[in-house]
Amino acid sequence: ILNVEQSPQSLHVQEGDSTNFTCSFPSSNFYALHWYRWETAKSPEALFVMTLNGDEKKKGRISATLNTKEGYSYLYIKGSQPEDSATYLCAFTSGTYKYIFGTGTRLKVLA
Amino acid sequence: NAGVTQTPKFQVLKTGQSMTLQCAQDMNHEYMSWYRQDPGMGLRLIHYSVGAGITDQGEVPNGYNVSRSTTEDFPLRLLSAAPSQTSVYFCASSYQQGRIYEQYFGPGTRLTVT
Repeated sequence: ILNVEQSPQSLHVQEGDSTNFTCSFPSSNFYALHWYRWETAKSPEALFVMTLNGDEKKKGRISATLNTKEGYSYLYIKGSQPEDSATYLCAFTSGTYKYIFGTGTRLKVLA
Repeated sequence: NAGVTQTPKFQVLKTGQSMTLQCAQDMNHEYMSWYRQDPGMGLRLIHYSVGAGITDQGEVPNGYNVSRSTTEDFPLRLLSAAPSQTSVYFCASSYQQGRIYEQYFGPGTRLTVT
């Protein structure tokens, strides 16, 4: 059974702080790594899809990097704002349509 | 486009009852999936479909049936509800762009089995 792990499980930061979280996944049979943002009482929304070792993606204050050889991806948020409060999920795929999700990192940004 | 819709939003069942969770998408996506989300666990794949008439099991298929008679609809059937099936259920649809599947989620159905 393939495992995707995310750390930390939860995080509280002050407004304006920068933060980062980790997603670890199997380094063999890698196909793609997805990041989702999931606000309470809503459904997950796609942030990034990453496929190549060394990929870096950026959307506003949020960016992500990918290391497929060692099996990890980092998500960074620069200058956190209260509206960034959400659960951030990563999901790994190994060449099929089946996604394997991590348990998520719950971020709370305090004003 | 309505995107991915799910009904009902909330449901309470008694142990042993059966029901169908509905999922529909209007984006002409080939791929559709059902996930369940439990506290402390990630989204776990129950069943998925790669096109009308084609379904397959995911990680936790026991106690659930699916069918895909049209591209738009992918209902999930609970045959005999058990308290262990208390969860939030998400349906998702996806299209393939190059080697990437872009996945869109419905709003979820919160199911309680007593």
